[in-house]
Amino acid sequence: EIVLTQTPGTLSLSPGESATLSCWASQSFNRNLLNWYQHRPGQAPRLLIYGASNRAADIPDRFRGSGSGTDFTLTISRLEPEDFAVYYCQQHDSPPYSFGQGTKLEIK
Amino acid sequence: EVQLVESGGGLVKPGGSLRLSCTAYGFALSSHSVNWVRQAPGRALEWVASISQSGSFIDYADTMKGRFTVSRNNAESAAFLQMNSLRAEDSAVYYCARLLMVRDKENYYYYHMDVWGKGTPVTVSS
Repeated sequence: EIVLTQTPGTLSLSPGESATLSCWASQSFNRNLLNWYQHRPGQAPRLLIYGASNRAADIPDRFRGSGSGTDFTLTISRLEPEDFAVYYCQQHDSPPYSFGQGTKLEIK
Repeated sequence: EVQLVESGGGLVKPGGSLRLSCTAYGFALSSHSVNWVRQAPGRALEWVASISQSGSFIDYADTMKGRFTVSRNNAESAAFLQMNSLRAEDSAVYYCARLLMVRDKENYYYYHMDVWGKGTPVTVSS
């Protein structure tokens, strides 16, 4: 079973700043199967990044994913007010198709 | 418009059962695997189960095995989650999501959940 650990748990930043979110896997897997989702309260989760580094449709280039093996990163540049939400990494390599515990990005 | 709509959530007593539905609009659900994901209050997203396009391949999270059953009816463009022996810790918003498989020009495959429903709340309480 692949366990995903996200750090930090909470990140307090101001609009205009940049955010770096990390996702660590308990074992190496195919980077094509690492995805990032944004989840705002009361809304459906939204796909941001698939295959570790590919932006989903309509996702601005302020969002960038990178990494491979066991270490993955989501970087958000020039934070906008709508970016403050919870972010999850998720693997679709092998069941259970686990999520990380999430990073809450909050306004400082 | 491409969308998924969940229904069937509600209040149920411990030990009870509920059947959730996930109906697709604007696309053929038969072309996609379907995942169920839940979020308990104050908790992270948790993958629940997955069913392949034909229904031949099904996986469950360990805590759901033996209690939850996922199925689908492609003619109705719908998927279902039958939940039995419900516990308080099963209280959550349940989402269904379409699994998209993409193959790039180098024949690499990508699997990700690109369309999600808005969720249906389930409360297990006496």
